[in-house]
Amino acid sequence: DAKTTQPNSMESNEEEPVHLPCNHSTISGTDYIHWYRQLPSQGPEYVIHGLTSNVNNRMASLAIAEDRKSSTLILHRATLRDAAVYYCPGASGTYKYIFGTGTRLKVLA
Amino acid sequence: DAGVIQSPRHEVTEMGQEVTLRCKPISGHDYLFWYRQTMMRGLELLIYFNNNVPIDDSGMPEDRFSAKMPNASFSTLKIQPSEPRDSAVYFCASSFPRRGVISYNEQFFGPGTRLTVL
Repeated sequence: DAKTTQPNSMESNEEEPVHLPCNHSTISGTDYIHWYRQLPSQGPEYVIHGLTSNVNNRMASLAIAEDRKSSTLILHRATLRDAAVYYCPGASGTYKYIFGTGTRLKVLA
Repeated sequence: DAGVIQSPRHEVTEMGQEVTLRCKPISGHDYLFWYRQTMMRGLELLIYFNNNVPIDDSGMPEDRFSAKMPNASFSTLKIQPSEPRDSAVYFCASSFPRRGVISYNEQFFGPGTRLTVL
């Protein structure tokens, strides 16, 4: 099983960029790197995914290290609505995710 | 689409009682996942199904837990008998993996069922 490591918590000021790190030390060559977030009292929701190249979408950017052993989720301007738990789940095969406890992001007004 | 539907949203029961949690996946999705979330252990996969067949139940904590998927639009997770340590939020998720040279599996989660066992 490919597990990941994330900091337990991070803080950011509102309207500043946030860089959330994830260590994928046991990732296999064919595993996508994906990020989910969980807003208070909701189920997790997809944020972004990538394989080798950096990716951008309307929610965030994903920077993937050249060796794929780490990735960084970038929120360009944090808002109070971005306060959530962010996960970069590991994988066991294509369909099984290992989520863990994620990083709790606190955004300060 | 209504998304993944779970019922009930909240369940309070007494130790020893049977609890049944229900899930309706997104129409057309052929994978269904049951997760449990606690403060201590985070989000854990319990079991997942493909085309209504259980594929991996290695995360089911013990024989008191069982899950079924009688058809493509309905699944249940049953705990019998329930214990206080089963108190958690239980999530159901479904997906329709994009299959190719490298497959990708985006999961869509329901709102969860908060279970309290007294």
